[in-house]
Amino acid sequence: QVQLVQSGAEVKKPGASVKVSCKASGYTFTSYDINWVRQATGQGLEWMGWMNPNSGNTGYAQKFQGRVTMTRNTSISTAYMELSSLRSEDTAVYYCARGHGGVVTLSYWGQGTLVTVSS
Amino acid sequence: DIQMTQSPSSLSASVGDRVTITCQASQDISNYLNWYQQKPGKAPKLLIYDASNLETGVPSRFSGSGSGTDFTFTISSLQPEDIATYYCQQYDNLPPIFGQGTKLEIK
Repeated sequence: QVQLVQSGAEVKKPGASVKVSCKASGYTFTSYDINWVRQATGQGLEWMGWMNPNSGNTGYAQKFQGRVTMTRNTSISTAYMELSSLRSEDTAVYYCARGHGGVVTLSYWGQGTLVTVSS
Repeated sequence: DIQMTQSPSSLSASVGDRVTITCQASQDISNYLNWYQQKPGKAPKLLIYDASNLETGVPSRFSGSGSGTDFTFTISSLQPEDIATYYCQQYDNLPPIFGQGTKLEIK
């Protein structure tokens, strides 16, 4: 069965960076885009960007341009999302999710990773 | 960016009730709309894709309709396990935007 398993919770200081991993199993990793979506506590869902694991091509929401980097290691079927220059407003649960047929229809999700930014 | 206006923001209904949530796009998005269910502390779950297609394994009491700018999500007979927050999401253009969410509670 398709599974996306994310790395554990992180606590970071303002100005630092965080790198969240998302390990895929149960399907061919390079065949489906990986998207990243975040959710602040009690708030809605915010799309951050996507990555094609086959080509490494990425697309980021304008809000995160310059601060986010999405990469992958195909040998271990793992995607990564790194967010830099963290501020308190970046405190949120970060989800990876698998796209479907090349569009942003998110049919499988990771369990989420809580990133807390606090001094 | 395309804006998605979802309503109501919260809804209280009884078991067995028919529940309807609407989502309006700021421009024509054809049928490029998904609906997700999110239970507390859990990741969202895809219920409906392409506005009206039921994801595999999703109970048939869930349905979606609409095209262009106006969309509807319906639960035909509310069950206790349907308590969750529901989100619409357009994917016609990047960035894909989610509606603000509808928190569904049991009366």
